[in-house]
Amino acid sequence: DAKTTQPPSMDCAEGRAANLPCNHSTISGNEYVYWYRQIHSQGPQYIIHGLKNNETNEMASLIITEDRKSSTLILPHATLRDTAVYYCIVRIYAGNNRKLIWGLGTSLAVNP
Amino acid sequence: DGGITQSPKYLFRKEGQNVTLSCEQNLNHDAMYWYRQDPGQGLRLIYYSQIVNDFQKGDIAEGYSVSREKKESFPLTVTSAQKNPTAFYLCASSIEQPPNEQFFGPGTRLTVL
Repeated sequence: DAKTTQPPSMDCAEGRAANLPCNHSTISGNEYVYWYRQIHSQGPQYIIHGLKNNETNEMASLIITEDRKSSTLILPHATLRDTAVYYCIVRIYAGNNRKLIWGLGTSLAVNP
Repeated sequence: DGGITQSPKYLFRKEGQNVTLSCEQNLNHDAMYWYRQDPGQGLRLIYYSQIVNDFQKGDIAEGYSVSREKKESFPLTVTSAQKNPTAFYLCASSIEQPPNEQFFGPGTRLTVL
């Protein structure tokens, strides 16, 4: 079963903020939320992660709701190079098994 | 520079041949992973290894084999038993402690003719 739900595609104008939503209603208390992006035919690139608090780094900001059932990745000033598929991921635990569950992601198109 | 390398970037093989994909990292990460990606799909975990000489099956391990003889290396063999081997293969590594975000290599695109 999918652990996260994201819109399949979004558009954003260059220079504007891109807000990418993600639902993770079954997340457990000790599970992190990760965001990655993948530019066509390249390996995914780590963006940011969070547990409970909002996080910011040089690439993006991550806003996590108080109930942790959803989050939003914010690219404050999108550029054409931000066009990519963005994946919101949570990690599951199964005994000693830790793995990331990847969904289909959101294809973000940044338009000039 | 630290990072993960995968070679080759493109690989062509005839049906029925085994092929080994290379993955090397110099990040001093304990854990390494292999994923498969098909067009328009997310990543699916094939195998992962948390420590040298130990590895675990992921969700789609059938038809694949791995070894972890060195911390830096985690080669993946696609055997003739894999029914549909044509795909984009991605290797990743991470530290073992949370939040253990994964860092990816550039990928190998395997085409079986």
